[in-house]
Amino acid sequence: NAGVTQTPKFRVLKTGQSMTLLCAQDMNHEYMYWYRQDPGMGLRLIHYSVGEGTTAKGEVPDGYNVSRLKKQNFLLGLESAAPSQTSVYFCASEARREGNEQFFGPGTRLTVL
Amino acid sequence: GQNIDQPTEMTATEGAIVQINCTYQTSGFNGLFWYQQHAGEAPTFLSYNVLDGLEEKGRFSSFLSRSKGYSYLLLKELQMKDSASYLCAAMDSNYQLIWGAGTKLIIKP
Repeated sequence: NAGVTQTPKFRVLKTGQSMTLLCAQDMNHEYMYWYRQDPGMGLRLIHYSVGEGTTAKGEVPDGYNVSRLKKQNFLLGLESAAPSQTSVYFCASEARREGNEQFFGPGTRLTVL
Repeated sequence: GQNIDQPTEMTATEGAIVQINCTYQTSGFNGLFWYQQHAGEAPTFLSYNVLDGLEEKGRFSSFLSRSKGYSYLLLKELQMKDSASYLCAAMDSNYQLIWGAGTKLIIKP
């Protein structure tokens, strides 16, 4: 039982390059989330999904796209990376019942030069 | 607007007790969560409160007052491994988590 995994763990991009971050969970959770974490700020929700084939915008969706083609996978794409997207990205999943916790992946550290 | 406030940093001594406060303002309320995050690692769940009162879980306890928009996390018998950031998050009417910036807890021997 691996829980939530993320690939890659680290990445350096040049401005304008694109990349995809992969999140996978083996807990059969319906809900999945992508957050970014920046120094001095709380986790900010980028996009989320309430089930296979559905996605929705969070607090800071601009510059990102997502897809949830399979229940266990949630992909985050950066089409044209900008230095402002330098951050640590966390994926999380949740079974969505009262009081249920979100389980986080180990994070991806992204630097955009 | 929605907002979570918690102290940026606190220092405590090994073996002592520390209380980390959190105040929240959200559109609707569906519970208050505390997570622990060690440096360079992912957040991990500590506690959940939706009703007023104290929830105790070993050395950690969490308190909620809905009328005051206030919660605290109480850590007893502090150990060096408790050095971490503690994140407060409130769930709003859309069942989305609104996160505080976290409180960095430094434990000194």
